[in-house]
Amino acid sequence: EAEVAQSPRYKITEKSQAVAFWCDPISGHATLYWYRQILGQGPELLVQFQDESVVDDSQLPKDRFSAERLKGVDSTLKIQPAELGDSAMYLCASSFGQASSYEQYFGPGTRLTVT
Amino acid sequence: GESVGLHLPTLSVQEGDNSIINCAYSNSASDYFIWYKQESGKGPQFIIDIRSNMDKRQGQRVTVLLNKTVKHLSLQIAATQPGDSAVYFCAENRHTGTASKLTFGTGTRLQVTL
Repeated sequence: EAEVAQSPRYKITEKSQAVAFWCDPISGHATLYWYRQILGQGPELLVQFQDESVVDDSQLPKDRFSAERLKGVDSTLKIQPAELGDSAMYLCASSFGQASSYEQYFGPGTRLTVT
Repeated sequence: GESVGLHLPTLSVQEGDNSIINCAYSNSASDYFIWYKQESGKGPQFIIDIRSNMDKRQGQRVTVLLNKTVKHLSLQIAATQPGDSAVYFCAENRHTGTASKLTFGTGTRLQVTL
């Protein structure tokens, strides 16, 4: 069964350091999403890609966060510099297209701890 | 292991009983509603969805009910099993300009007791 892959699974970093997360969506899925999930809450969308283009990054803190999907397949989310409040689970999801955004498949997530 | 949602509402159900998890949504323009299951240390897993023009949809051991009048969604799990223990999230699919996105509600932790 096809799955969304993410790495690393866990990351501990000191504040002010840079950190990066990688996601490989299900093959053939054109739409890719990055979410942040704070403990005890539902996931919140950070950025959405359609192929290599950003279609929604309204909730992405652009002063420190960046995301790219250069070839329209895998994607990287970066935080620089990391802050204590960035500690959370970072989830990647994909769907066949924007029209099927209601059918998203999630990866296992990257648990980030900022010390 | 990781503990998701230390302060989430919790539903405790005995194995074999039926479970009902409720959710209120906010946007009457949402076109799909989805239930996700999230086990500790894992990403959310799709369970079932329902289109806004329906009021009931059944899957294997699960039923979703949609009441648009009061903006309420429920997930019913029949014959609850220990493997059903997880945090459950409802989500609504909204169209925002050129994009569509999911907005998640507050989760409910389901604990199945033997």
